[in-house]
Amino acid sequence: QQQVKQSPQSLIVQKGGIPIINCAYENTAFDYFPWYQQFPGKGPALLIAIRPDVSEKKEGRFTISFNKSAKQFSLHIMDSQPGDSATYFCAAMSNTGKLIFGQGTTLQVKP
Amino acid sequence: DAGVIQSPRHEVTEMGQEVTLRCKPISGHDYLFWYRQTMMRGLELLIYFNNNVPIDDSGMPEDRFSAKMPNASFSTLKIQPSEPRDSAVYFCASSPLPGSLANEQFFGPGTRLTVL
Repeated sequence: QQQVKQSPQSLIVQKGGIPIINCAYENTAFDYFPWYQQFPGKGPALLIAIRPDVSEKKEGRFTISFNKSAKQFSLHIMDSQPGDSATYFCAAMSNTGKLIFGQGTTLQVKP
Repeated sequence: DAGVIQSPRHEVTEMGQEVTLRCKPISGHDYLFWYRQTMMRGLELLIYFNNNVPIDDSGMPEDRFSAKMPNASFSTLKIQPSEPRDSAVYFCASSPLPGSLANEQFFGPGTRLTVL
């Protein structure tokens, strides 16, 4: 019940494409769903986050879509750039403050 | 603010040796987290503290691992004795107040541990 399942494990797109990364959870106590971005040799950094009272959140080229009934959420990257090449982690948190991370998706954006 | 500071950045040691990883959280953050990252298991939460008190250590793999937070500006993660399967990148993160809207976790640069 504490797991967050993320797919795909890796993704390759051309510049300008729209990569989509999907996550699913079971625990209905989760009430905060962030996405973290990690570049090689660096720690993860918060990219965008959503709470379950909204179905979509957009920040720049990054959009989270949230489906509460299906217990699924996804990250869309519009007009992807080579600089977006990184590993992306979805996560979920309940009021305990404990983040549960997905397994990560390695994204490569080809020029 | 300099962000979360971790030391050392790299550590190579031999099996059986004691390893101590250090973390300085962002000033004013009440929560501190220790994570381990490996290819096989991804990002795993080991333990976290609230106001210097350990809240959840259920992720600590075994008794060889211990963590302390003697004050608000310093924490250590110790492995004694170390084993090759402990090789990983260890991250420290801090957060102001997870229960509120401001619950972003700020990660340090990590310590890459290699146990030979």
